[in-house]
Amino acid sequence: DVKVTQSSRYLVKRTGEKVFLECVQDMDHENMFWYRQDPGLGLRLIYFSYDVKMKEKGDIPEGYSVSREKKERFSLILESASTNQTSMYLCASSLPRTGGTEAFFGQGTRLTVV
Amino acid sequence: GESVGLHLPTLSVQEGDNSIINCAYSNSASDYFIWYKQESGKGPQFIIDIRSNMDKRQGQRVTVLLNKTVKHLSLQIAATQPGDSAVYFCAENFGGGSNYKLTFGKGTLLTVNP
Repeated sequence: DVKVTQSSRYLVKRTGEKVFLECVQDMDHENMFWYRQDPGLGLRLIYFSYDVKMKEKGDIPEGYSVSREKKERFSLILESASTNQTSMYLCASSLPRTGGTEAFFGQGTRLTVV
Repeated sequence: GESVGLHLPTLSVQEGDNSIINCAYSNSASDYFIWYKQESGKGPQFIIDIRSNMDKRQGQRVTVLLNKTVKHLSLQIAATQPGDSAVYFCAENFGGGSNYKLTFGKGTLLTVNP
C-alpha cells in the first residue's frame, strides 16, 4: 500500500514564525503536492513538484514555499506564519501517468497560528 | 444543492437507501475524474475514477456516471451504510503541461442515519 506520512498531526505556531511541514512517501512517486483545506472551500493546491528540485505554483502559493531535495520528501515552508494560514494541510503523491491518475493523501496536519 | 457561504452541501439518507452525490466540474477539456471520501480527521481516500471516454464505471457498491455534455459527475452508493458517512469530493484532471494536477470540488457531506 502507498503510504504518505506527514510529520505532525497538530501544530500550534506563533505569528511570524517560520514553519516547516514535512511529508514523506514510500512508493517512489514522482509527483508530490501540498493542498490546504478550509471549510466550504474544499482542497486548494498550494504547490506541486513533478521531480526532485522541480516545483510549480498551484492556485494559492502566496506566503508559501516548498523544497524537494529528495524524491520521497516534500516540504512546505511558511516563511512568516500568519493567522490566515491556520488550516488543514494535506500532502499527496502520485505517478506521472498520461491522462491523469489518483493521488494518495497523508492524514493531514492541522496548523493553528496564534 | 449549492454551497452557501462556508456550509457544505449535505445529503442525509437512511441506512440501506441508495445515495447519489452530484458534482459539476469546470473544465470541458478535463479527461479524468476521481471521487474521494474523507472521514473526519483523515486524509481523502480514493473511491473510484473514470476517464472521459467512458460514461459509466462501477465498483463495489459504487457507480460513477459522467455526462460530458453538461459537465456533470455523479457518485451512486448502493445500500448506504453508517460507515459511508463522510465528506465526498470530486476531482478533475485536464491534460497538457499540468496533466498530473487534480482540481477538487468543495465537497458534499453525506450523513447516514441508522
